[in-house]
Amino acid sequence: GENVEQHPSTLSVQEGDSAVIKCTYSDSASNYFPWYKQELGKGPQLIIDIRSNVGEKKDQRIAVTLNKTAKHFSLHITETQPEDSAVYFCVNGKTSYDKVIFGPGTSLSVIP
Amino acid sequence: NAGVTQTPKFQVLKTGQSMTLQCAQDMNHEYMSWYRQDPGMGLRLIHYSVGAGITDQGEVPNGYNVSRSTTEDFPLRLLSAAPSQTSVYFCASTKAGLGQGTQYFGPGTRLTVL
Repeated sequence: GENVEQHPSTLSVQEGDSAVIKCTYSDSASNYFPWYKQELGKGPQLIIDIRSNVGEKKDQRIAVTLNKTAKHFSLHITETQPEDSAVYFCVNGKTSYDKVIFGPGTSLSVIP
Repeated sequence: NAGVTQTPKFQVLKTGQSMTLQCAQDMNHEYMSWYRQDPGMGLRLIHYSVGAGITDQGEVPNGYNVSRSTTEDFPLRLLSAAPSQTSVYFCASTKAGLGQGTQYFGPGTRLTVL
């Protein structure tokens, strides 16, 4: 069946450095690629998403890139801050509101 | 708007007991979903609904039932709890339509089955 791999599983960076999380997926029919951030004790929250007709999208310090040929997409966080510390999940699905598949998550720690 | 609400926040059950996890949303979203979250495994879809009266199975539906009698509510029923169902359960809602897709998650229910 479809699956999503996510790397690394844990990531520690110094405040101000960049963080990159990479995901690969198996379903070539996937067209929707959101990223969710989950803080301790809370539900996940969407931080950015990209659709298959776009190769890159930026929102302030956050960017997502998509390579549909290679079936991978990445999250880039620049100028990291302690409040960026959380678990990040990549997700993909055929449509934005169809069944979606979550990656296993990356625990990001930003060290002040 | 309250968004997505879930009750209870915590629950302890004994093996074989049944219970219902409640989920409600006040955003008039068409789509609602139930996930379970286990360490190192991300979120796995249990059941989902594309509208009132319509439900379908996700990746891990065994041991769970759902119904969707109204747009607002999407309860998850555990018929006979097992220790393997110890997990954190999240409900989410999504607005249908072109360009939509954000899933809004509730705060979760932490369930322990002894």
